[in-house]
Amino acid sequence: AQSVAQPEDQVNVAEGNPLTVKCTYSVSGNPYLFWYVQYPNRGLQFLLKYITGDNLVKGSYGFEAEFNKSQTSFHLKKPSALVSDSALYFCAVRDTSSSASKIIFGSGTRLSIRP
Amino acid sequence: DVKVTQSSRYLVKRTGEKVFLECVQDMDHENMFWYRQDPGLGLRLIYFSYDVKMKEKGDIPEGYSVSREKKERFSLILESASTNQTSMYLCASSLYGGASYEQYFGPGTRLTVT
Repeated sequence: AQSVAQPEDQVNVAEGNPLTVKCTYSVSGNPYLFWYVQYPNRGLQFLLKYITGDNLVKGSYGFEAEFNKSQTSFHLKKPSALVSDSALYFCAVRDTSSSASKIIFGSGTRLSIRP
Repeated sequence: DVKVTQSSRYLVKRTGEKVFLECVQDMDHENMFWYRQDPGLGLRLIYFSYDVKMKEKGDIPEGYSVSREKKERFSLILESASTNQTSMYLCASSLYGGASYEQYFGPGTRLTVT
Protein backbone atom coordinates (compact mmCIF):
# COMPACT_ATOMS: atom_id res chain seq x y z
CA ALA A 1 0.00 0.00 0.00
CA GLN A 2 1.13 3.51 -0.77
CA SER A 3 1.90 5.56 2.31
CA VAL A 4 3.88 8.40 3.78
CA ALA A 5 4.96 8.63 7.40
CA GLN A 6 5.99 11.53 9.56
CA PRO A 7 7.26 9.82 12.70
CA GLU A 8 7.34 12.92 14.89
CA ASP A 9 4.17 14.74 15.93
CA GLN A 10 6.20 17.66 17.23
CA VAL A 11 9.73 18.97 16.80
CA ASN A 12 11.15 21.63 19.10
CA VAL A 13 14.23 23.64 18.11
CA ALA A 14 15.94 26.74 19.45
CA GLU A 15 16.16 29.72 17.14
CA GLY A 16 19.39 29.71 15.15
CA ASN A 17 19.86 25.95 15.38
CA PRO A 18 19.48 23.63 12.41
CA LEU A 19 16.17 21.82 12.06
CA THR A 20 15.09 18.54 10.50
CA VAL A 21 11.55 17.30 9.96
CA LYS A 22 11.47 13.64 9.00
CA CYS A 23 9.47 11.93 6.27
CA THR A 24 9.57 8.39 4.91
CA TYR A 25 7.47 6.95 2.12
CA SER A 26 6.37 3.70 0.57
CA VAL A 27 5.28 3.73 -3.07
CA SER A 28 5.83 1.61 -6.12
CA GLY A 29 7.55 3.23 -9.05
CA ASN A 30 9.21 6.63 -9.08
CA PRO A 31 8.14 8.82 -6.18
CA TYR A 32 7.12 12.43 -6.59
CA LEU A 33 7.61 14.02 -3.15
CA PHE A 34 6.36 17.29 -1.72
CA TRP A 35 6.54 19.40 1.42
CA TYR A 36 3.77 21.81 2.38
CA VAL A 37 3.54 24.21 5.32
CA GLN A 38 0.49 25.49 7.17
CA TYR A 39 0.92 28.65 9.19
CA PRO A 40 -1.64 29.33 11.94
CA ASN A 41 -5.12 30.11 10.58
CA ARG A 42 -3.95 29.85 6.98
CA GLY A 43 -4.23 27.33 4.17
CA LEU A 44 -1.43 25.05 3.08
CA GLN A 45 1.43 26.48 1.05
CA PHE A 46 3.76 24.57 -1.22
CA LEU A 47 7.40 24.56 -0.05
CA LEU A 48 9.30 22.30 -2.43
CA LYS A 49 9.14 19.13 -4.49
CA TYR A 50 11.29 16.34 -5.84
CA ILE A 51 10.33 14.90 -9.20
CA THR A 52 13.66 13.88 -10.70
CA GLY A 53 17.28 15.05 -10.84
CA ASP A 54 19.43 16.37 -8.01
CA ASN A 55 18.66 14.66 -4.70
CA LEU A 56 18.97 17.94 -2.81
CA VAL A 57 16.01 20.19 -3.50
CA LYS A 58 15.84 23.82 -2.46
CA GLY A 59 12.56 25.54 -1.76
CA SER A 60 10.92 28.59 -0.25
CA TYR A 61 11.97 30.39 2.97
CA GLY A 62 15.44 28.78 3.00
CA PHE A 63 14.17 25.21 3.33
CA GLU A 64 15.68 22.25 1.53
CA ALA A 65 15.02 18.54 1.43
CA GLU A 66 17.12 15.54 0.55
CA PHE A 67 15.72 12.62 -1.40
CA ASN A 68 17.30 9.34 -0.27
CA LYS A 69 16.13 6.45 -2.40
CA SER A 70 17.82 3.69 -0.39
CA GLN A 71 16.28 4.89 2.86
CA THR A 72 12.99 5.94 1.19
CA SER A 73 13.19 9.25 2.98
CA PHE A 74 12.66 12.91 2.12
CA HIS A 75 13.62 14.89 5.22
CA LEU A 76 13.05 18.64 5.36
CA LYS A 77 15.94 20.73 6.63
CA LYS A 78 16.97 24.29 7.34
CA PRO A 79 20.43 25.37 8.53
CA SER A 80 19.24 28.07 10.94
CA ALA A 81 15.70 28.09 12.34
CA LEU A 82 13.60 31.22 12.76
CA VAL A 83 10.72 31.73 15.20
CA SER A 84 8.59 32.48 12.15
CA ASP A 85 9.19 28.90 10.92
CA SER A 86 6.86 27.65 13.64
CA ALA A 87 4.04 25.92 11.76
CA LEU A 88 2.55 22.57 10.79
CA TYR A 89 4.49 20.74 8.08
CA PHE A 90 3.15 18.05 5.79
CA CYS A 91 5.06 15.63 3.62
CA ALA A 92 3.22 14.19 0.62
CA VAL A 93 3.88 11.64 -2.12
CA ARG A 94 2.27 10.94 -5.45
CA ASP A 95 -0.21 8.09 -5.40
CA THR A 96 1.32 5.86 -8.07
CA SER A 97 -1.58 3.43 -7.87
CA SER A 98 -3.70 6.02 -9.65
CA SER A 99 -3.26 7.53 -13.10
CA ALA A 100 -4.75 10.74 -11.80
CA SER A 101 -3.07 13.60 -10.02
CA LYS A 102 -3.63 12.36 -6.49
CA ILE A 103 -1.13 12.73 -3.68
CA ILE A 104 -1.08 11.18 -0.23
CA PHE A 105 -0.36 13.39 2.77
CA GLY A 106 1.39 12.47 5.98
CA SER A 107 -0.17 13.17 9.35
CA GLY A 108 1.85 16.36 9.85
CA THR A 109 4.63 17.52 12.17
CA ARG A 110 4.26 20.60 14.32
CA LEU A 111 7.49 22.57 14.36
CA SER A 112 8.01 24.90 17.31
CA ILE A 113 10.95 27.30 17.33
CA ARG A 114 11.73 28.88 20.70
CA PRO A 115 13.47 32.26 20.86
CA ASP B 1 -0.47 34.49 -8.12
CA VAL B 2 -2.87 31.60 -8.02
CA LYS B 3 -5.85 32.32 -5.90
CA VAL B 4 -8.17 29.71 -4.45
CA THR B 5 -11.10 31.06 -2.50
CA GLN B 6 -13.63 29.26 -0.35
CA SER B 7 -17.08 30.63 0.34
CA SER B 8 -16.89 30.62 4.13
CA ARG B 9 -14.14 30.55 6.77
CA TYR B 10 -16.46 29.32 9.51
CA LEU B 11 -19.78 27.53 9.23
CA VAL B 12 -22.13 26.12 11.86
CA LYS B 13 -24.87 23.74 10.75
CA ARG B 14 -27.36 21.43 12.39
CA THR B 15 -27.45 17.66 12.06
CA GLY B 16 -29.43 16.63 9.00
CA GLU B 17 -28.99 19.88 7.10
CA LYS B 18 -27.73 19.93 3.53
CA VAL B 19 -24.48 21.86 3.39
CA PHE B 20 -22.77 23.43 0.39
CA LEU B 21 -19.09 24.40 0.41
CA GLU B 22 -17.95 26.39 -2.59
CA CYS B 23 -14.46 26.73 -4.01
CA VAL B 24 -13.28 28.96 -6.86
CA GLN B 25 -9.85 29.15 -8.50
CA ASP B 26 -8.68 31.78 -10.94
CA MET B 27 -5.76 30.10 -12.72
CA ASP B 28 -7.55 27.87 -15.23
CA HIS B 29 -6.40 24.73 -13.43
CA GLU B 30 -7.81 21.44 -14.66
CA ASN B 31 -7.61 19.63 -11.33
CA MET B 32 -9.56 20.53 -8.22
CA PHE B 33 -9.64 18.69 -4.91
CA TRP B 34 -11.57 18.58 -1.65
CA TYR B 35 -9.84 17.42 1.52
CA ARG B 36 -10.73 17.28 5.13
CA GLN B 37 -8.10 17.97 7.77
CA ASP B 38 -8.33 16.43 11.21
CA PRO B 39 -5.68 16.53 13.96
CA GLY B 40 -3.32 13.57 13.77
CA LEU B 41 -4.81 12.35 10.50
CA GLY B 42 -3.34 14.86 8.10
CA LEU B 43 -5.30 15.61 4.95
CA ARG B 44 -7.64 13.01 3.53
CA LEU B 45 -8.97 13.27 0.02
CA ILE B 46 -12.76 13.32 -0.28
CA TYR B 47 -13.23 13.87 -4.02
CA PHE B 48 -11.34 15.34 -6.90
CA SER B 49 -12.15 16.50 -10.41
CA TYR B 50 -9.87 16.64 -13.44
CA ASP B 51 -12.31 18.33 -15.80
CA VAL B 52 -15.75 19.91 -15.94
CA LYS B 53 -18.42 17.39 -14.95
CA MET B 54 -15.72 14.78 -14.25
CA LYS B 55 -15.15 13.53 -10.73
CA GLU B 56 -13.51 10.68 -8.90
CA LYS B 57 -13.90 9.43 -5.36
CA GLY B 58 -11.05 9.92 -2.99
CA ASP B 59 -10.35 7.99 0.18
CA ILE B 60 -13.37 9.09 2.24
CA PRO B 61 -16.28 9.95 -0.10
CA GLU B 62 -19.07 8.54 2.09
CA GLY B 63 -21.61 11.19 3.04
CA TYR B 64 -20.31 13.67 0.46
CA SER B 65 -20.97 14.54 -3.16
CA VAL B 66 -19.44 17.11 -5.49
CA SER B 67 -20.36 19.22 -8.46
CA ARG B 68 -18.22 20.83 -11.12
CA GLU B 69 -20.30 22.64 -13.71
CA LYS B 70 -17.64 25.23 -14.56
CA LYS B 71 -13.89 24.83 -14.73
CA GLU B 72 -13.19 27.39 -12.02
CA ARG B 73 -15.75 26.18 -9.48
CA PHE B 74 -15.86 22.97 -7.42
CA SER B 75 -18.57 22.43 -4.85
CA LEU B 76 -18.65 19.97 -1.98
CA ILE B 77 -22.08 18.88 -0.75
CA LEU B 78 -22.90 17.23 2.54
CA GLU B 79 -26.24 15.62 1.79
CA SER B 80 -27.25 15.27 5.43
CA ALA B 81 -24.71 16.72 7.82
CA SER B 82 -23.66 14.64 10.79
CA THR B 83 -21.55 15.49 13.82
CA ASN B 84 -18.68 13.32 12.58
CA GLN B 85 -18.35 15.67 9.62
CA THR B 86 -17.23 18.47 11.91
CA SER B 87 -13.83 19.27 10.48
CA MET B 88 -11.65 21.68 8.51
CA TYR B 89 -12.33 21.43 4.78
CA LEU B 90 -9.66 22.45 2.32
CA CYS B 91 -10.04 22.99 -1.39
CA ALA B 92 -7.07 22.86 -3.77
CA SER B 93 -6.33 23.14 -7.46
CA SER B 94 -3.45 22.19 -9.74
CA LEU B 95 -2.48 21.86 -13.34
CA TYR B 96 -3.19 18.51 -14.91
CA GLY B 97 0.01 16.47 -15.15
CA GLY B 98 0.12 13.24 -13.22
CA ALA B 99 0.73 14.87 -9.84
CA SER B 100 3.99 16.50 -10.88
CA TYR B 101 2.50 19.93 -10.29
CA GLU B 102 2.02 21.36 -6.82
CA GLN B 103 -1.43 22.00 -5.44
CA TYR B 104 -2.64 25.45 -4.41
CA PHE B 105 -4.90 25.58 -1.40
CA GLY B 106 -7.70 27.81 -0.25
CA PRO B 107 -7.83 29.16 3.32
CA GLY B 108 -10.18 26.42 4.50
CA THR B 109 -13.68 26.23 5.93
CA ARG B 110 -14.05 25.16 9.52
CA LEU B 111 -17.40 23.37 9.68
CA THR B 112 -19.11 22.59 12.95
CA VAL B 113 -22.15 20.31 12.91
CA THR B 114 -24.24 20.42 16.09
